[in-house]
Amino acid sequence: LAKTTQPISMDSYEGQEVNITCSHNNIATNDYITWYQQFPSQGPRFIIQGYKTKVTNEVASLFIPADRKSSTLSLPRVSLSDTAVYYCLVGDLRYSSASKIIFGSGTRLSIRP
Amino acid sequence: DVKVTQSSRYLVKRTGEKVFLECVQDMDHENMFWYRQDPGLGLRLIYFSYDVKMKEKGDIPEGYSVSREKKERFSLILESASTNQTSMYLCASTTQISGTGTYEQYFGPGTRLTVT
Repeated sequence: LAKTTQPISMDSYEGQEVNITCSHNNIATNDYITWYQQFPSQGPRFIIQGYKTKVTNEVASLFIPADRKSSTLSLPRVSLSDTAVYYCLVGDLRYSSASKIIFGSGTRLSIRP
Repeated sequence: DVKVTQSSRYLVKRTGEKVFLECVQDMDHENMFWYRQDPGLGLRLIYFSYDVKMKEKGDIPEGYSVSREKKERFSLILESASTNQTSMYLCASTTQISGTGTYEQYFGPGTRLTVT
């Protein structure tokens, strides 16, 4: 199983770039890496997903090195509304084997003015 | 917009009661999931269903069962609720991301269950 490890918490300031790293040493060949954002009393919300190298969308970038044993979520110019818990998920949601789906314990990101 | 809805936002039950948590998705997704979320433990997968009447155990299935009689509905059942099942329960479903071959998971708002 591809267990994931993330920092428990991070602090930053408005306008800064924030990078959150997730370690997944046992990632399998068919696994994708997905990041979610969760606000209090809400379900997690999809941010970005990737398999290798770099993926960018309108809210974030995802960097995955060649060995795929880690990944970094990059949030450009954060604002107060980016204060949330960020989860790293490794697995392949296509497969019926539920044991392949692993969430990290989450990183609590706090943004200050 | 994809919608995943859960029958209750808050629920209070007594020890030993049978509890039903319902989840409905409106986008014809094949895969549906039940997680529980506890402080310091993140999200843990309870059960997963990849088709009607099909299910697989996740990491923590003990004390739970599930039912999927229709594609859009996935129910989580606590046969005899216990205090250690007090938690936030999250339902999710997945759909393929257009043009990528990968999948995106949509979550419901969650049900906060308290067992006294």
